[in-house]
Amino acid sequence: SQQGEEDPQALSIQEGENATMNCSYKTSINNLQWYRQNSGRGLVHLILIRSNEREKHSGRLRVTLDTSKKSSSLLITASRAADTASYFCATIRDKLIFGTGTRLQVFP
Amino acid sequence: NAGVMQNPRHLVRRRGQEARLRCSPMKGHSHVYWYRQLPEEGLKFMVYLQKENIIDESGMPKERFSAEFPKEGPSILRIQQVVRGDSAAYFCASSRRELAETTDTQYFGPGTRLTVL
Repeated sequence: SQQGEEDPQALSIQEGENATMNCSYKTSINNLQWYRQNSGRGLVHLILIRSNEREKHSGRLRVTLDTSKKSSSLLITASRAADTASYFCATIRDKLIFGTGTRLQVFP
Repeated sequence: NAGVMQNPRHLVRRRGQEARLRCSPMKGHSHVYWYRQLPEEGLKFMVYLQKENIIDESGMPKERFSAEFPKEGPSILRIQQVVRGDSAAYFCASSRRELAETTDTQYFGPGTRLTVL
C-alpha cells in the first residue's frame, strides 16, 4: 500500500500566490523527498530532507518535516504558470514509496 | 553525462503478447528501480536491482512479470502475456548507492507508456 498521502489532491491558484502541499506517511523513515511530474513526463527531484532536519529551502521551495506527526509540507512561493504539475512526496527506507500526489494548477 | 534512458517511450501490444521495457541507468549508477504509474495515481514500486542481482521484488506481480539487470547492457522489465490491466507508464530510476545508507537520490527516466489493446 502507498506510504504517503498528499493533501490536497488538487490545488488551483493564481500566479504570484503561494502553494502549500502536505504529505503524511505511516512508518519511520530515513529521508523524505519531493518530486515534480509534468503531465506525461518523468519525475524531477526537487528536494530531499533528512529525518533529523526540520526545514529546508531551495530557491522558491520550502520543505518542513515533522517526524512526530509523520508529516511534511512543501511550500512554493510566488508561484508561476510553469509550476503547474503534479507533486509527490516519497519516503525512503530502502526504496522510495510515493504518495498519490497533489495536482497543482497555476493560472496566469 | 546522459540521464536515465528508457526505450521505447511508447509501446503498444495486443493481449497475450510480450512487452520488453529497457532502462539504461546513469553512468556510474549500479542501482536500478522500476515503478508503475496508473493514470491519476502515484508511482508504485515494483522491483529494485543491482548488477546481476534482484534485491527487492516485493512490488512486482509473481506471475508474468520479470526483471533483470545483467552485467553488461540495460535493465529489462519483461511482461509476458500482457493484459489490458498492464496498461500504464513504467518508470525506471537509478542511484549511485543504496538509498537507505545515504542521502543519495534517484534519478528518473522519461518512462515507457505501455498500451495493451
